Amino acid sequence: DTAVSQTPKYLVTQMGNDKSIKCEQNLGHDTMYWYKQDSKKFLKIMFSYNNKELIINETVPNRFSPKSPDKAHLNLHINSLELGDSAVYFCASSRAANYGYTFGSGTRLTVV
Amino acid sequence: DQQVKQNSPSLSVQEGRISILNCDYTNSMFDYFLWYKKYPAEGPTFLISISSIKDKNEDGRFTVFLNKSAKHLSLHIVPSQPGDSAVYFCAGTGNQFYFGTGTSLTVIP
Repeated sequence: DTAVSQTPKYLVTQMGNDKSIKCEQNLGHDTMYWYKQDSKKFLKIMFSYNNKELIINETVPNRFSPKSPDKAHLNLHINSLELGDSAVYFCASSRAANYGYTFGSGTRLTVV
Repeated sequence: DQQVKQNSPSLSVQEGRISILNCDYTNSMFDYFLWYKKYPAEGPTFLISISSIKDKNEDGRFTVFLNKSAKHLSLHIVPSQPGDSAVYFCAGTGNQFYFGTGTSLTVIP
């Protein structure tokens, strides 16, 4: 059983489209995150949710909107995709802040 | 399926001594391994990487060793400093990334 699963694993789409990436965790963790990995392998936090409540919202374009229907899911919606959105996006969860992170395997988004 | 494992959730080391963080993996198709460092309330930052065709990569106080036959890699920090106190993640990658669950390092002054 995959602990943190992201779908899709690969996503190729045209500029201007709207797309979603889904994340689910079956660990019973309270906190979930979305990270964006840039070309230099730096992982930048985008959003953090604790029990469905947004607790971190870093400076990202408002074209990015997280949705947490329940504690086990944190989806990422991206509107009007741009070339610069091409990256690998990682979902993660933890029991508490800074404790026992589990990462998903990433979604490679390519905008053409 | 935990393809990358960090079996030690925590490690304490005296300042000036060597810190050794370990990581085991099961996927022999990984072609790259990375270490990330994470401070509280911050995102993980890339620290050092190693290609699967090498057995050692050094960057200042940080050295990563790869033992492919044992499917094991380790991060050595020499000398350890209090500012090194953080959570360290290892990751293996082929087509996708697989992260370990992290080891919390505390360097005692």
